[in-house]
Amino acid sequence: DTAVSQTPKYLVTQMGNDKSIKCEQNLGHDTMYWYKQDSKKFLKIMFSYNNKELIINETVPNRFSPKSPDKAHLNLHINSLELGDSAVYFCASSQMAGHGYTFGSGTRLTVV
Amino acid sequence: AQSVTQLGSHVSVSEGALVLLRCNYSSSVPPYLFWYVQYPNQGLQLLLKYTSAATLVKGINGFEAEFKKSETSFHLTKPSAHMSDAAEYFCAVSDWDDMRFGAGTRLTVKP
Repeated sequence: DTAVSQTPKYLVTQMGNDKSIKCEQNLGHDTMYWYKQDSKKFLKIMFSYNNKELIINETVPNRFSPKSPDKAHLNLHINSLELGDSAVYFCASSQMAGHGYTFGSGTRLTVV
Repeated sequence: AQSVTQLGSHVSVSEGALVLLRCNYSSSVPPYLFWYVQYPNQGLQLLLKYTSAATLVKGINGFEAEFKKSETSFHLTKPSAHMSDAAEYFCAVSDWDDMRFGAGTRLTVKP
């Protein structure tokens, strides 16, 4: 029973398309996150939600829009995909500061 | 703002040798510090965490890390490397809002 699950695992799409990545956690955690990992493995936080409320919105193009229908789900919708959006996107969750994050296995997005 | 710096983007050791991965932090408040491991094509897995209870922290897979406030360091060690330890390792610092990661250190283990 996967704690943090993301779908799809791989996503190949053309420039200009709109796509969504879904994330669900069954740990009962209050906070969920989206991170982007680039080709050099650098991890950058994009968004943080606490109990469905947006807490962090880093400098991310407004083509990226997170949606949290409930505290167990945090989806990421991306409009007008660009080549530079190609990366691995990780969803994570945590109960509170100091407890560490539980990560999903990632979604590898390739824009062609 | 809090941040971590990992010294060395790539570390190579022989099987059975000591593993030492370096991490220095910058934080205006007592930090929460973490080490994560990422195997190829997988997500990050928590190895260990420091939350001010004890300066020497033991984690999974035989890894441990020591918090040294005077040196603002949180280096990760393992006495004897196994082939299965080959992976990317990330140091991270957290406050109440989010977690910031270092650039990662790729560990290679030679037979």
